[in-house]
Amino acid sequence: DVKVTQSSRYLVKRTGEKVFLECVQDMDHENMFWYRQDPGLGLRLIYFSYDVKMKEKGDIPEGYSVSREKKERFSLILESASTNQTSMYLCASSLNLERADTQYFGPGTRLTVL
Amino acid sequence: AQSVAQPEDQVNVAEGNPLTVKCTYSVSGNPYLFWYVQYPNRGLQFLLKYITGDNLVKGSYGFEAEFNKSQTSFHLKKPSALVSDSALYFCAVSVSGGYNKLIFGAGTRLAVHP
Repeated sequence: DVKVTQSSRYLVKRTGEKVFLECVQDMDHENMFWYRQDPGLGLRLIYFSYDVKMKEKGDIPEGYSVSREKKERFSLILESASTNQTSMYLCASSLNLERADTQYFGPGTRLTVL
Repeated sequence: AQSVAQPEDQVNVAEGNPLTVKCTYSVSGNPYLFWYVQYPNRGLQFLLKYITGDNLVKGSYGFEAEFNKSQTSFHLKKPSALVSDSALYFCAVSVSGGYNKLIFGAGTRLAVHP
């Protein structure tokens, strides 16, 4: 079974802090994704990566950056956290770039910015 | 623009009754469609997907989905609902143009009552 893990289930930070969310997958998947989930809006793609050191902006990249130094690990960085970044953050991975590929999700990190 | 709509915020069903969670889509080219389920405070779990072939797709936990090209719909169904099916359900479409990008609907909360 594919396993995607995220470093924290719950996180509380203060406005202006730098925040790191970590995601690790154990199935040698090429693609990794970061989404945020907000009530009534579904999941929105922040960034994705299709290879080590490669990244592409998703639909809502403003205020975020990412890092993928190793194939299994994909980090989401909030350079200066703001209250409007309070949300559930979900990481996912998929085997390759095929449209038919299934994305597998981690358990999520619920981030609160005070 | 490519999009997914889940017209119902919530669906209420009595245990043992059949359930349907609706999804309609708009996509360029052939649609690749997915259903995911999210239990409270958990990540998304893959249920099933339609790529090509038989319009009735069978998935996990007794769920199935019917693809209807003329109505651009992909409704999720189960013949007999369980209380444990109560969760948030997301429909998603794979975007044409590569990179295995998904667009998600806003989600439908399913409540199954004893």
